[in-house]
Amino acid sequence: DGGITQSPKYLFRKEGQNVTLSCEQNLNHDAMYWYRQDPGQGLRLIYYSQIVNDFQKGDIAEGYSVSREKKESFPLTVTSAQKNPTAFYLCASMGRTSGGDLNTGELFFGEGSRLTVL
Amino acid sequence: GNSVTQMEGPVTLSEEAFLTINCTYTATGYPSLFWYVQYPGEGLQLLLKATKADDKGSNKGFEATYRKETTSFHLEKGSVQVSDSAVYFCALSNGGADGLTFGKGTHLIIQP
Repeated sequence: DGGITQSPKYLFRKEGQNVTLSCEQNLNHDAMYWYRQDPGQGLRLIYYSQIVNDFQKGDIAEGYSVSREKKESFPLTVTSAQKNPTAFYLCASMGRTSGGDLNTGELFFGEGSRLTVL
Repeated sequence: GNSVTQMEGPVTLSEEAFLTINCTYTATGYPSLFWYVQYPGEGLQLLLKATKADDKGSNKGFEATYRKETTSFHLEKGSVQVSDSAVYFCALSNGGADGLTFGKGTHLIIQP
């Protein structure tokens, strides 16, 4: 089945450690996104990528880094510089319209990764 | 810039009650509008969408109509079930590279 796979589902980290969250998609989508979800704050955009080897900062990129070496993969690293990393992280992708426009506007989400800093 | 405002919960209803979750938006041009649902511990799933004014999106008994004159996209269901308990997000897209703009989510609790 086509979809987005995030791993791990749960992750614990000590303060001062970097951690990388995996996101893989087999939907053949060009665009991929990372969101952070906190209670009562909805979804906030961390980074996004429209094409391989290119990505842009979202609204809350500080303390995070990403790479896009393959179309299928968009890993997120939560660095020790992120002041409050405990959160639920969601990866998503978006395909092109049938006419070839960049974005359909419809996001497909993974099941999320819950990071807890001890 | 774009923004989405939706009623914050939790919203608690009895089974078979009528549901309305309000959503209003601010955007330039003619955005597409979406409702996503998130069940506990999971990612978001698209519930329904509308791409132009007066369009009605519908799925699983839920409906929402794109009202440009009131910049609204309220979610409705005639008779809710316990299984509808979830968090519902209203969102818009202008087709931009940065994806969708989301509301803060409405937690819906349906009691038997």
